[in-house]
Amino acid sequence: NAGVMQNPRHLVRRRGQEARLRCSPMKGHSHVYWYRQLPEEGLKFMVYLQKENIIDESGMPKERFSAEFPKEGPSILRIQQVVRGDSAAYFCASSPPTGSYNEQFFGPGTRLTVL
Amino acid sequence: GDSVTQMEGPVTLSEEAFLTINCTYTATGYPSLFWYVQYPGEGLQLLLKATKADDKGSNKGFEATYRKETTSFHLEKGSVQVSDSAVYFCAWSGGYQKVTFGTGTKLQVIP
Repeated sequence: NAGVMQNPRHLVRRRGQEARLRCSPMKGHSHVYWYRQLPEEGLKFMVYLQKENIIDESGMPKERFSAEFPKEGPSILRIQQVVRGDSAAYFCASSPPTGSYNEQFFGPGTRLTVL
Repeated sequence: GDSVTQMEGPVTLSEEAFLTINCTYTATGYPSLFWYVQYPGEGLQLLLKATKADDKGSNKGFEATYRKETTSFHLEKGSVQVSDSAVYFCAWSGGYQKVTFGTGTKLQVIP
């Protein structure tokens, strides 16, 4: 059973461009979470999605950021008109639909660099 | 508000030394508690977990006990190795929700 997959692993964008980060959850997992890790800091929650639904987006910046988890295909985190402050590692995690506690399995992350 | 506080690093230890990384949390209800480890350039891996008061999570020689009375979940290892050098994150979750992480403690073990 493959783990959580993220691509690309590294992404370089110039200011004003768009960044698209993809996450394929573990097989059988229907919950996806996105986190951002700024240099030398911990992970900050951004958004929690289930198939075709955004459940909690309390950690998403109000502008330029959006996320989706379509019925088919990976979850996408989209950042429009990137700025240097968006440079960070973005981690995706997934969890199964059942269970008594929320154990999340993390992907290797996408490291975004904005020039 | 809900949060996790863990000791600041970096922590530098000699090989075979005893390790303690303190962690306290603020949360309502009965959260599940976790320690994650992040090796350089990699994502987070779950190291151990505890889901109710007085549970002890353990893995690879690391242990942590869920202490509800002190709202703590301190990480310990009796004898660290160079390969344990990494960043360790304490975290909690209240269910099918986000995981709240501490800021991480960098551990460096020298031979």
